[in-house]
Amino acid sequence: IAGITQAPTSQILAAGRRMTLRCTQDMRHNAMYWYRQDLGLGLRLIHYSNTAGTTGKGEVPDGYSVSRANTDDFPLTLASAVPSQTSVYFCASSVGLYNEQFFGPGTRLTVL
Amino acid sequence: AQRVTQPEKLLSVFKGAPVELKCNYSYSGSPELFWYVQYSRQRLQLLLRHISRESIKGFTADLNKGETSFHLKKPFAQEEDSAMYYCALSTPDSWGKLQFGAGTQVVVTP
Repeated sequence: IAGITQAPTSQILAAGRRMTLRCTQDMRHNAMYWYRQDLGLGLRLIHYSNTAGTTGKGEVPDGYSVSRANTDDFPLTLASAVPSQTSVYFCASSVGLYNEQFFGPGTRLTVL
Repeated sequence: AQRVTQPEKLLSVFKGAPVELKCNYSYSGSPELFWYVQYSRQRLQLLLRHISRESIKGFTADLNKGETSFHLKKPFAQEEDSAMYYCALSTPDSWGKLQFGAGTQVVVTP
């Protein structure tokens, strides 16, 4: 059982390029989340989904979009990357919104 | 808006010494508080949550609504406790979504 996986592990991206970070879970969790982790700021919620077919904005949604076509996948897209989006991105999932969250290994993204 | 404050960015303690990680929050209602931990080269994982009132790996944390705090304590630190620790808050207003603090890096030296 893989749990929750993310791809790629790391990426260097030119500013202005489009990028999709992938997240897949095999735990049949209803809720999924995307966070960015920045030094001194902790983890900040970008977008979330409490069930397949629905998504919501978190604390820092600007410049990012998500989709939830099925239970397992929750991709995060940067339509036109900017250097301020350089960060480590974590995907997480939970049975429901009020349950323990399980985290993926993270994607380190550098935008130049 | 709710907020979680972890005032210490770095805590350096000797093995066997007590360790306390501070966490204060701003919320006037009934929150749910968590401690998550990230060991080196491992994923972020739940350490404990206040409603379970458990002691995990020797750590305890008590919710003090009067002081709006949820400090994490361990009487005798071990080298394997070296990690990044995050305090997190969930409220009914946030529909269960977590608000994280900035994190505290703990280094336990022999």
